[in-house]
Amino acid sequence: DTEVTQTPKHLVMGMTNKKSLKCEQHMGHRAMYWYKQKAKKPPELMFVYSYEKLSINESVPSRFSPECPNSSLLNLHLHALQPEDSALYLCASSDLDKAENTEAFFGQGTRLTVV
Amino acid sequence: AQSVTQLGSHVSVSEGALVLLRCNYSSSVPPYLFWYVQYPNQGLQLLLKYTTGATLVKGINGFEAEFKKSETSFHLTKPSAHMSDAAEYFCAVSLSGANSKLTFGKGITLSVRP
Repeated sequence: DTEVTQTPKHLVMGMTNKKSLKCEQHMGHRAMYWYKQKAKKPPELMFVYSYEKLSINESVPSRFSPECPNSSLLNLHLHALQPEDSALYLCASSDLDKAENTEAFFGQGTRLTVV
Repeated sequence: AQSVTQLGSHVSVSEGALVLLRCNYSSSVPPYLFWYVQYPNQGLQLLLKYTTGATLVKGINGFEAEFKKSETSFHLTKPSAHMSDAAEYFCAVSLSGANSKLTFGKGITLSVRP
C-alpha cells in the first residue's frame, strides 16, 4: 500500500465554523506533512511531524492546528478561517529510516473553500 | 538555504516530440532532487529522484533526468511526448534525507498538441 488517503475531498466552511481535515497512511512512514497549495502555485510547507512530534511549523497562523494522534494519522483542525485560506491542502508522508527513501508521498488533497 | 528555479511557466510540444523541462537549483550542501507531476485536481506524484550515485536517473512514464553538479541543473526529459503527459511539473530540492523541507520550484505547465 503506497497510498496517502485524505478526507474529505472537498470542504466548504463558513468563517465561524470548526472543521478538521484527516490524513492516513499505512506505509510505516514516521514523517508526515501538511502543505497548502493555491491555484497555479507550488505547494507551501505548513507543518512537519516526525515520530508523532511537531518538528517544523512554518509560522502558520493559529487558526490552523495540526495533530498527530498516532504514526498513521494526521489531522488539521480549522477554526475561524478567512476566505484567503481557500486552497488545496495536501498531506504527505516519508520514510525516516533510510535516507535514500526520502521522497514524500502525497495524498489527493482536500479542496477547501471558505465562505 | 536551498532554492529551485524553473524557467518559463508553460511549455508546448507536439505529440511524439522531445520533452525538456528545465530545473536549476541552489544549495549549500549536496542536494536531494525530485520531479513531481500534478494532474488537475490531484495530488503530486513522484516521477523520479536523485539522492546519490548515478547521475542519470530514470523514472516512471518514460521520464528521465540528469544531475549535473557543475551546472547545478536537474533537467527532465522524455524522448516522445504523449497526450497523457499534459500536466503541471514541479522540480523540488531538499538538503538532506529524512524530515527535511521540500522546496519546490514554481512549476511548469506542459501542453501536448495532437
